[in-house]
Amino acid sequence: SQTIHQWPATLVQPVGSPLSLECTVEGTSNPNLYWYRQAAGRGLQLLFYSVGIGQISSEVPQNLSASRPQDRQFILSSKKLLLSDSGFYLCAWSTDGIGGYTFGSGTRLTVV
Amino acid sequence: SQKIEQNSEALNIQEGKTATLTCNYTNYSPAYLQWYRQDPGRGPVFLLLIRENEKEKRKERLKVTFDTTLKQSLFHITASQPADSATYLCALGEGSGTYKYIFGTGTRLKVLA
Repeated sequence: SQTIHQWPATLVQPVGSPLSLECTVEGTSNPNLYWYRQAAGRGLQLLFYSVGIGQISSEVPQNLSASRPQDRQFILSSKKLLLSDSGFYLCAWSTDGIGGYTFGSGTRLTVV
Repeated sequence: SQKIEQNSEALNIQEGKTATLTCNYTNYSPAYLQWYRQDPGRGPVFLLLIRENEKEKRKERLKVTFDTTLKQSLFHITASQPADSATYLCALGEGSGTYKYIFGTGTRLKVLA
């Protein structure tokens, strides 16, 4: 069966520090991968999606970047965190981009 | 700009009743619409997908309708139970090839015993 792993579960980082969140999927090949952010009281905002290794599409100009070094690995990064980067970050995958997404358990990031 | 509206106020209903949640959208022509359940501190869980050419979809106690003329989807939970209490999100996707879904802010449902 397919599983998605996302870590860490919580993270407190100072302003200006770097960030690296990792997401891996098991049990499937060539998944579509997504990073979403959910701010308090707001909907999920699509940040990046990838349909293949090295293929990254950015949805929102921001302080973040994403990379897909392996087929089932998706990484969200920042060189210098801002206070506004705080939020609940969710990784997700899908097989065809149409069917339901499977989300990870999320990372609660607090920038202080 | 594209906009998805879900009732931001919580919906409280009595156990056993039917819960109906609404998802309205503007400036958008989705080919697909999904509903998710999200519990506090957890990632959303996929429930149902409905296509633009489908009027209704059912899964156990869940029913979803999709009216592209009204630009609205209704999500029903029949014989609701306290365990159904959660936030429910709708998500809209364009035609195949875009691989992107835009999510609403969700409606919090509380089923009272």
